[in-house]
Amino acid sequence: RKEVEQDPGPFNVPEGATVAFNCTYSNSASQSFFWYRQDCRKEPKLLMSVYSSGNEDGRFTAQLNRASQYISLLIRDSKLSDSATYLCVVNSETGGFKTIFGAGTRLFVKA
Amino acid sequence: GAGVSQSPSNKVTEKGKDVELRCDPISGHTALYWYRQSLGQGLEFLIYFQGNSAPDKSGLPSDRFSAERTGGSVSTLTIQRTQQEDSAVYLCASSLDIRTGSGNTIYFGEGSWLTVV
Repeated sequence: RKEVEQDPGPFNVPEGATVAFNCTYSNSASQSFFWYRQDCRKEPKLLMSVYSSGNEDGRFTAQLNRASQYISLLIRDSKLSDSATYLCVVNSETGGFKTIFGAGTRLFVKA
Repeated sequence: GAGVSQSPSNKVTEKGKDVELRCDPISGHTALYWYRQSLGQGLEFLIYFQGNSAPDKSGLPSDRFSAERTGGSVSTLTIQRTQQEDSAVYLCASSLDIRTGSGNTIYFGEGSWLTVV
C-alpha cells in the first residue's frame, strides 16, 4: 500500500460545479498536511494547509479526518482556471523526517 | 533570493555523460529537497538536506546519483553516466526547516528539465 494515495482521476466537471477529492495516508503518526496545485509542465505550488478543525479559503475547503486517516479538498463554483493536478502532501517525523506527495488528482473544468 | 532558483532550466545530454544540476534555495531556508518527476507521473522523492547534512539517501535511484550541499545554501545533484530513463524534470524545493508543522511550507523551483538522448 502506498503511504499516500489519491484517485488519479481525471475529474471532468462543468463550470460552477462542486468537486471533492480525497487523499488517504497510512502513517497514523503523520503530523501536518497540505494541498498543492500543479499546472501542466509547472512546479507544484502550495494551495492550502490542512488544519485539524478544517479550514476554508474562498471557494476551497480542506478537511482532515485523523480517525479515518484521510484529508479532503472541496472546490465550490469551479472555474476553468481550476483545471490542474491537485497533490496532497503528508509530513511525518516518525523514524526520520518524511514529506510524501501523493501522485495527484487531475481536474478538468469545462465551459 | 526571492524564490528557489534552479539551473540549467533545460539540459539535453548524450547517454553516458555526467550532468550537474544546481539549486539555490530561498535565503534563510535550512531545509532543501530534491524530487524527480517523469512526464505524467507523480513526484519521486530523492533526498533532503537539513543544513549540509543528508540523513537519508535511500531515495536516490542508483549509485549514479549523488547530491551535496555546502555552506547550508546551494545544492548540486549529480548524475553520472546518464541513461535515457533519467530523463525527467528534477525539482528542487526548500523550506524554513525540516520540522513538520503547518508552517513548514515547501516552495519549489521551476525545475531542471533533463533529456538524455
